[in-house]
Amino acid sequence: DTEVTQTPKHLVMGMTNKKSLKCEQHMGHRAMYWYKQKAKKPPELMFVYSYEKLSINESVPSRFSPECPNSSLLNLHLHALQPEDSALYLCASSHGDLNYGYTFGSGTRLTVV
Amino acid sequence: DAKTTQPNSMESNEEEPVHLPCNHSTISGTDYIHWYRQLPSQGPEYVIHGLTSNVNNRMASLAIAEDRKSSTLILHRATLRDAAVYYCILRTDSGGSNYKLTFGKGTLLTVNP
Repeated sequence: DTEVTQTPKHLVMGMTNKKSLKCEQHMGHRAMYWYKQKAKKPPELMFVYSYEKLSINESVPSRFSPECPNSSLLNLHLHALQPEDSALYLCASSHGDLNYGYTFGSGTRLTVV
Repeated sequence: DAKTTQPNSMESNEEEPVHLPCNHSTISGTDYIHWYRQLPSQGPEYVIHGLTSNVNNRMASLAIAEDRKSSTLILHRATLRDAAVYYCILRTDSGGSNYKLTFGKGTLLTVNP
């Protein structure tokens, strides 16, 4: 298995809702990442998990809460989001070593209404 | 991560070679040069990476200047499916930032039939 699987592919949520995005990989990668991408912009790093521990938080608002329950699974819990949080949320994984590439999922298209 | 500079956009014709340039004049000795591409409505896809020597794989070739201050991604025969945004990224060994992959603006490649 050489893929990163993200679910759901599309999500519409209200500003008072609580929802979660899920990301899964079975490549034995030790690092996992959440990125946010607005239309016509490059992906922006949000969080990095290394060996299931949060190692980097790029000053993301607390309404985004990441969780790494095990080495294959990464969640992003969403609560009280704003319309400007609407974006494509990408998950990625890697060996962590500089001499390897990242594998990205296809993303979850989130719309906050 | 050290900064890279790429043209905003490039055009090519189908079945012709494409040379996508990237300048990285502040590259350090341990920085790896990574290339990713993002097709419309998809997550980024790893293309190729290298340190000092030129690299080839099934997708592309990477030519690295002798002083490592620039590199060129070469698509040997462009197809319509190669139309995408191409990102040139330097991955730096900087301890805690080892796991960061920071995207610049990239080059939008248009392939004409």
